[in-house]
Formats: sequence, C-alpha cells, structure tokens
Amino acid sequence: DADVTQTPRNRITKTGKRIMLECSQTKGHDRMYWYRQDPGLGLRLIYYSFDVKDINKGEISDGYSVSRQAQAKFSLSLESAIPNQTALYFCATSAADTGELFFGEGSRLTVL
Amino acid sequence: AQKVTQAQTEISVVEKEDVTLDCVYETRDTTYYLFWYKQPPSGELVFLIRRNSFDEQNEISGRYSWNFQKSTSSFNFTITASQVVDSAVYFCALSNQGGSEKLVFGKGTKLTVNP
Repeated sequence: DADVTQTPRNRITKTGKRIMLECSQTKGHDRMYWYRQDPGLGLRLIYYSFDVKDINKGEISDGYSVSRQAQAKFSLSLESAIPNQTALYFCATSAADTGELFFGEGSRLTVL
Repeated sequence: AQKVTQAQTEISVVEKEDVTLDCVYETRDTTYYLFWYKQPPSGELVFLIRRNSFDEQNEISGRYSWNFQKSTSSFNFTITASQVVDSAVYFCALSNQGGSEKLVFGKGTKLTVNP
C-alpha cells in the first residue's frame, strides 16, 4: 500500500458542488501539504499543516479550505467548485528535518 | 520573492544521449535549499535530490548528476546515457527553509527519450 493515499483518484463534478479530497499517510510525518498542478504551471501550494493545530495558507488558498483531523489525515475542500479549479491535486508529507516531500498519487478533479 | 525558472519546456533526445536540464533560481536568502523531483507518465512525484546553499559540491548518483553554481544561481541536472525510462517531467524547486514549507516549484521540463 502507498504511504500517502489520496481519495478519490478521479472526480467529475458540477459547478457549485461541494467537493472533499482526502489524504491519509502512514509515514508518521507531522507535516502535510496540498498542492495543485496545472499544465505548464508546475505545482502550487494551497495549504500546509505542521500538526493538527497548525494550518497555514499557501500561495493559492482562495476557494479552498482544509481540515487536519488527525496527524495522519488532511482533507482539502472546495466549498463551491468552479471550472478553473479543474486540476490535478497532490497531497504530500514531509519530515521536519529532511525537506523531502512524499507525494500521494494525485486526485484529478474536473469541474464542469 | 523566490522564483525558479526552467526555461526548457520540452526536450527530446535519443536513447544513450546525455541531456542537461537547466534550473535557474532567484532568492534573497543566504540560506536556501534546492530540490529536483521527477514525475513519470504514471503521475506520481518522486524526490531526487536536496542541496543546501552552503554545499556547492557536485553530486553524482549513477547516471544522474547535479551541478550547483551559486555564481550563476543555477542547479542543473544531467542525465548521462539517457534511457527510455528517464522520460518524465522534471521539476526544480527552491525553499528558504530546510523543510518543504513554501517550496517554490519551477514549471517543469518534459523530457522524452526516444528509443
């Protein structure tokens, strides 16, 4: 099983719908992240969390919210999805001292 | 502000050729960290290397090597004797902290290695 698991892997939804992407990890890392990947734009940080009580906005947090339910779980929500939120979303974890990110397999979201 | 530029959007080579992927960064910090990640066609992102700003020694790992030059703010990645399995999108990234918070990624270089 993957160390960082994202669900769902693929989702098609309609404008205005609420969507939640879930991430769970078995690496025991405190730090978790949500990134968005768009063609030609690389990866951009949406939110990150250092522990269950510490959540921080990233570069592109508008239109998104997150919840850190436990050390191992970090969810990303789109309260009212819009078409320009169509993208590939990655969850990642890291240990505090190495800087290496461990990514999930990605969740492809399409908003019609 | 921090910025990473990967000027090569796509590169296509024939197997066994050497190929260098360029990465130029901008930062005002004296302490920073540079990374390379690989994203194969399957989509997952794989960590390749992390280098701090105080270590300018070149790194070699098998067919992969990295050339860090502070004088030109570059952290280039060379694949020697490329193979089809090297086909992927490669991302260079920069952080001003040892961890991965506020990691700034370049837009990526898509490498295609043809048989």
